[in-house]
Amino acid sequence: EAQVTQNPRYLITVTGKKLTVTCSQNMNHEYMSWYRQDPGLGLRQIYYSMNVEVTDKGDVPEGYKVSRKEKRNFPLILESPSPNQTSLYFCASSLSPHVSSSYNEQFFGPGTRLTVL
Amino acid sequence: GQQVMQIPQYQHVQEGEDFTTYCNSSTTLSNIQWYKQRPGGHPVFLIQLVKSGEVKKQKRLTFQFGEAKKNSSLHITATQTTDVGTYFCAGRSSYNFNKFYFGSGTKLNVKP
Repeated sequence: EAQVTQNPRYLITVTGKKLTVTCSQNMNHEYMSWYRQDPGLGLRQIYYSMNVEVTDKGDVPEGYKVSRKEKRNFPLILESPSPNQTSLYFCASSLSPHVSSSYNEQFFGPGTRLTVL
Repeated sequence: GQQVMQIPQYQHVQEGEDFTTYCNSSTTLSNIQWYKQRPGGHPVFLIQLVKSGEVKKQKRLTFQFGEAKKNSSLHITATQTTDVGTYFCAGRSSYNFNKFYFGSGTKLNVKP
């Protein structure tokens, strides 16, 4: 089944304890992205990746890191989490990053609810 | 910076009534996508609009992209309880089309 998976689905942690949220897609998609969703703010893009070893900042990259060593995986790393990073996180992927392509609909993972105490 | 504003924030309708949500961007967009998120779920792609003035229909849903490519709307005719959810627009900037800017969403509640 074609899908985007994220792990863990739920995580409660404490300030300063490094964590990684994994994201994997099995659709051979080029473009992958991380978003955070907060009430009243919609989804805000954290980082995106056009392809392997190509990543760039989204709108709210502070406090986050990413890597894209393999096409299928795009982990999100919080080196020193803080309470303001408590949020619902979504990973998404699309086949093509090109603007006019019919294939750049984004497929979202199920989400990771993170609480930082 | 780039912003996509979406209104209204909430809409409560009686089943059978129509519903419209609007998105406005501070800058020209290269394209706009619409997503639906059911309660407790993840966003699901509905449609993409690319051309100025484009109108697309999916059954009871009508999507429009403004002539200046700075605004868009989603109209649902004769809402059903299955339409419940939050609808988001997501625009790609003309300056950096690799970035997506989501509206804050319109949460639709449909009373049977």
